[in-house]
Amino acid sequence: DGGITQSPKYLFRKEGQNVTLSCEQNLNHDAMYWYRQDPGQGLRLIYYSQIVNDFQKGDIAEGYSVSREKKESFPLTVTSAQKNPTAFYLCASSIWGRSALPHQPQHFGDGTRLSIL
Amino acid sequence: AQTVTQSQPEMSVQEAETVTLSCTYDTSESDYYLFWYKQPPSRQMILVIRQEAYKQQNATENRFSVNFQKAAKSFSLKISDSQLGDAAMYFCAYTIYGGATNKLIFGTGTLLAVQP
Repeated sequence: DGGITQSPKYLFRKEGQNVTLSCEQNLNHDAMYWYRQDPGQGLRLIYYSQIVNDFQKGDIAEGYSVSREKKESFPLTVTSAQKNPTAFYLCASSIWGRSALPHQPQHFGDGTRLSIL
Repeated sequence: AQTVTQSQPEMSVQEAETVTLSCTYDTSESDYYLFWYKQPPSRQMILVIRQEAYKQQNATENRFSVNFQKAAKSFSLKISDSQLGDAAMYFCAYTIYGGATNKLIFGTGTLLAVQP
């Protein structure tokens, strides 16, 4: 079955440590996205990528980094510069490009919950 | 700036009854999409229904329908014949039609409880 796989499901970070959240999709989607979810704030966009080797900052990119070396993969690194990393992180993907209009919905993974030790 | 507002943090409905969740949004764009996503306790985001702003007809998907009022910038979700499995957090979301990013802007969510 096609879908998006996020791992791990739960992750703990120590002070000063960088941690990487994995996101893999086998939907052959061009675009991938990372969202952060905090209680009472809905989802906010961290980074997005429309093609391989290219990505753009979202609304809350500070303290995070990403890479897009393969179409299927879009890992998110939470760096030590992110002072409040405790949150639920969701990865999504969608078809992209003008040929994909009208809007193609985003498909979401099951998420990773990150906590501070 | 585009914003999405959900003014009901929590709602409750009896099984088999009908409930309406409210959503308002602010945008200067004329062409856009609106969505309702469901997030059950499993935390996966599931697309429930979507509406294209250029369509006057309200979208429906089985027991789910919307009341789209473009002039009022209102987009409410009606759930008919509520079922226990409908209990979840519901998010209203918006994106610009043909936008450069396909970026979704979410509201803060409404937690729906379904009473047996």
